[in-house]
Amino acid sequence: SQQGEEDPQALSIQEGENATMNCSYKTSINNLQWYRQNSGRGLVHLILIRSNEREKHSGRLRVTLDTSKKSSSLLITASRAADTASYFCATDSRSATNKLIFGTGTLLAVQP
Amino acid sequence: DAGITQSPRHKVTETGTPVTLRCHQTENHRYMYWYRQDPGHGLRLIHYSYGVKDTDKGEVSDGYSVSRSKTEDFLLTLESATSSQTSVYFCAISEAGAGFSGAFFGQGTRLTVV
Repeated sequence: SQQGEEDPQALSIQEGENATMNCSYKTSINNLQWYRQNSGRGLVHLILIRSNEREKHSGRLRVTLDTSKKSSSLLITASRAADTASYFCATDSRSATNKLIFGTGTLLAVQP
Repeated sequence: DAGITQSPRHKVTETGTPVTLRCHQTENHRYMYWYRQDPGHGLRLIHYSYGVKDTDKGEVSDGYSVSRSKTEDFLLTLESATSSQTSVYFCAISEAGAGFSGAFFGQGTRLTVV
């Protein structure tokens, strides 16, 4: 079964707005990662947050992690049309280290 | 794309035939993974490898086998392809394992079983 579930499944915003995607997972983790996938392409690693971290930034990306709620959020600030893609969270669980399990993804459309 | 090559990129095969997909890396990374991607399911882990001849099952391993005889190659075999195995297959590699770093993905293989 899927470890992570993203919410919403689809999101449409205007350029310049912020986009927030959420991920919930089921078991204790070592870390949580976010990936982007452009249509028809492979996934690209965006950011990794460890279980002892609560927030991490990388450029226009901000990731938060709440291990008590088993959830994470990805915020993309000042979105651009080029941010249009699917975004996936992936977890590395403590019970199965190095088995990277993905969620179902959020499809983000940024309208110019 | 971090030195990962998947072959073939596209394949159409008939039900019941064996199929082998190849993932080749030039990064000398220890960990290699095979995923399948289907609408509504995201990516699901089939098998992964943590070294030469060391492999383990993922979430959806039934009907699939893997082999890794060299660091650079990870083969995924469908012994007898079924229509339910029509999917896009992705290979991924990781230096220190998913527990420590992110993974790099290949461009995918689109497999159609008719």
